Amino acid sequence: QKEVEQNSGPLSVPEGAIASLNCTYSDRVSQSFFWYRQYSGKSPELIMSIYSNGDKEDGRFTAQLNKASQYVSLLIRDSQPSDSATYLCAVSTGRRALTFGSGTRLQVQP
Amino acid sequence: EAGVVQSPRYKIIEKKQPVAFWCNPISGHNTLYWYLQNLGQGPELLIRYENEEAVDDSQLPKDRFSAERLKGVDSTLKIQPAELGDSAVYLCASSLVQDTGELFFGEGSRLTVL
Repeated sequence: QKEVEQNSGPLSVPEGAIASLNCTYSDRVSQSFFWYRQYSGKSPELIMSIYSNGDKEDGRFTAQLNKASQYVSLLIRDSQPSDSATYLCAVSTGRRALTFGSGTRLQVQP
Repeated sequence: EAGVVQSPRYKIIEKKQPVAFWCNPISGHNTLYWYLQNLGQGPELLIRYENEEAVDDSQLPKDRFSAERLKGVDSTLKIQPAELGDSAVYLCASSLVQDTGELFFGEGSRLTVL
């Protein structure tokens, strides 16, 4: 079992819709959770972090964390073609460097 | 503020040749990481430095890979000899403090081994 699992996609949504990206992790001692965005041919960039159960909103992005279910999600409201990218879920136990999932490729159709 | 700088951006070599990648982290960032990213996969940690000390190199294939971070600033990752399976993007990242997930990545060095 991979430590961080994501559906590879592609997830295709129409412009203006809500995109929902999901991630599960295996290590129960994980403390910190992150979403990175990676455009094709570019390096990852941090877009959201979440540390406690519940929702965290930042503009059009909402991260959701459920530690009991070991589940993290990212919602993108009013999706734009510029949101088309691969979204990487990353998890930290606080003792090791980040562990990344394989990423979900999002395509926003104009 | 300058970001993480890596060089070279692209490198094509034949198998069994050596190759080296260089990274200059963001000024003041004490923690430096080398990640490897294969196509369609997420980054995988090779080594993490706190200042000049390698605190996590458990995933570094030490028979052919080596890394150093002299004076706790710039870092070099070396592969000798390179194998076909080493073709990937080598990403350097830095962070202000350890045990944080807020990493800043360089543009990466894309290695092709023929």
